[in-house]
This record gives sequence, C-alpha cells and structure tokens, in this order.
Amino acid sequence: SAVISQKPSRDICQRGTSLTIQCQVDSQVTMMFWYRQQPGQSLTLIATANQGSEATYESGFVIDKFPISRPNLTFSTLTVSNMSPEDSSIYLCSVGTDINSPLHFGNGTRLTVT
Amino acid sequence: QKEVEQDPGPLSVPEGAIVSLNCTYSNSAFQYFMWYRQYSRKGPELLMYTYSSGNKEDGRFTAQVDKSSKYISLFIRDSQPSDSATYLCAAAVLTGGGNKLTFGTGTQLKVEL
Repeated sequence: SAVISQKPSRDICQRGTSLTIQCQVDSQVTMMFWYRQQPGQSLTLIATANQGSEATYESGFVIDKFPISRPNLTFSTLTVSNMSPEDSSIYLCSVGTDINSPLHFGNGTRLTVT
Repeated sequence: QKEVEQDPGPLSVPEGAIVSLNCTYSNSAFQYFMWYRQYSRKGPELLMYTYSSGNKEDGRFTAQVDKSSKYISLFIRDSQPSDSATYLCAAAVLTGGGNKLTFGTGTQLKVEL
C-alpha cells in the first residue's frame, strides 16, 4: 500500500493563528481525503481534496476555515485557519488508489490550540 | 442516532482468547465494510474489507457481515498482546463515493499476558 507522510506530526499553536498540514504520498493516488479525529468521537470526514480544483467539503466544514490544496496526485495540504481551542484534534490524511478502493491513512497531525 | 454504532469498551481479554468486536449500522445503503486497527499515536491501519455478506478470513482475523440485521463483526483468534489497540469499523456506499467512510467510535482492546 501507499506510504503516506504527514507533517508536522504534532504542534501546539496559539489561538487565532493558522497551521498548514502537509500530506505526501509515495505514489500517485486518485482519491485524497482529510479527516478529523476528536477524543472519544468517530473519525469525521472534513473534505475530499480534488486535484487542480476546489475541495468538496462535508456538512459543517467550510473552505474559509479549512482551505485545502491538491496540486498533483501525490500531495495535499490542509490549513486550519484562525484556530480556537475547539480545533484541538488529530487531523488525518487518507488516500485511495481509485474511487472505490479501501482507504489508507497517515499517522496524523496532533494539534493543540492554546 | 449515529449511522455506525460501536461499543467503546475497553475490552480486556487474556492472551490466546477469541475476541469478538461488533458494530451495527442504520444506513441500508452501506455496501462496503472495513475494519481498521489503530495503535496509540498512530493512524488507522486497514485490516480487512469486504463488499458482501458472509465471512472473510485473513490469518487470525475474520470479518463477518450480516446485511439483513445490519451487523458487522471482527473475530480475532489466538489473541496476542500485540493486538492491543483500538479497532474501528467503517462503512460506505458504493456510488462513486465509496471512499467516503462512516466510522464507529472504536473499541479499545487490551490483550493481557
């Protein structure tokens, strides 16, 4: 399966700032997604990262808060903007080789907002 | 009601036991089911996936899906301390959006020596 690298692995940020998380895959993949994992809760899909076009956001998530880029088939970024303590969570990049293939996940970015 | 329900545990078993992990789901459109294992401070690791009702076996792991009762299970035979982790079930609809997974909250498993 694809090797997925996420950076940073963890960060502590101040309220009101922004953090950009990078996801790099070692092979081309069709599908890339961003998930959020909060303690005691299910993994929640934030958005589908579309190559060369705007991401597709799930209900409750908006582009102004979580801008996403995907310039090619191996790389994507998620920015968490104007952070508040409620944004403290684990953010996970996931990839699928094609549209209905099983997803593989990176190790996530542990974000703490103070 | 959550679309995928999973008992959070924790579940503690002795080494060598057979472990049964279970999820129920409410969306009849789900056609695609997965189990992930997540170690502390790591991302979810895909264990098994299946598209159909019935059993699928891979080594010590067996995934079982019963679409009539909307019930999915993962059995672990001869459990080992290295199996101690959180197990996540997930489901998806196969309509070109098959990658959009709906997850349970995860069951924490501890296998003790």
